[in-house]
Amino acid sequence: AQSVAQPEDQVNVAEGNPLTVKCTYSVSGNPYLFWYVQYPNRGLQFLLKYITGDNLVKGSYGFEAEFNKSQTSFHLKKPSALVSDSALYFCAAGISGNTGKLIFGQGTTLQVKP
Amino acid sequence: EAQVTQNPRYLITVTGKKLTVTCSQNMNHEYMSWYRQDPGLGLRQIYYSMNVEVTDKGDVPEGYKVSRKEKRNFPLILESPSPNQTSLYFCASSSRSNSYNEQFFGPGTRLTVL
Repeated sequence: AQSVAQPEDQVNVAEGNPLTVKCTYSVSGNPYLFWYVQYPNRGLQFLLKYITGDNLVKGSYGFEAEFNKSQTSFHLKKPSALVSDSALYFCAAGISGNTGKLIFGQGTTLQVKP
Repeated sequence: EAQVTQNPRYLITVTGKKLTVTCSQNMNHEYMSWYRQDPGLGLRQIYYSMNVEVTDKGDVPEGYKVSRKEKRNFPLILESPSPNQTSLYFCASSSRSNSYNEQFFGPGTRLTVL
């Protein structure tokens, strides 16, 4: 079965420190990978995506993600965390074919402390 | 402003009382989808629509109906709600149904079925 896993329910980091939110995937074919962020009482917002090409993808708000095919991972990173980055982060994989289907991970809560 | 809107944002109802959650997008998107979000499970797709009058089941369609009579609207219908449908619901849209297009999400509808 195709799946996306986010192994950490919560990540805690101090403001100014680098952050990593982990994601691994198991999908057939070439993966299309996404990161979305959800702030309290809001819908999901697109951060970045990998389709093909450079393994390091840059997105909104200073976030970036590294695609690693051998480890089937797509970890989200930011060099210097802000308190305002505190939110719920979802990794998702697009399934090949024209269904627009996304498989989501279970989500990781990022807590950035001052 | 480009957006996906949902109504109502919050709803408390009783078992068996039919309800409709509306979803509308103003971006002329072809693709629309409904998800439910439950703790520890991420988002799961209920139904999707690739264009007007074209709808199909997602991963958890039981107990739900949809229709797509106009391009901008994609209502979610619960004919006879049950407590296990208590959840946070998101509508999303995308310009095309390709799996590499990012999706735009509405603000969510929190439904409680007593």
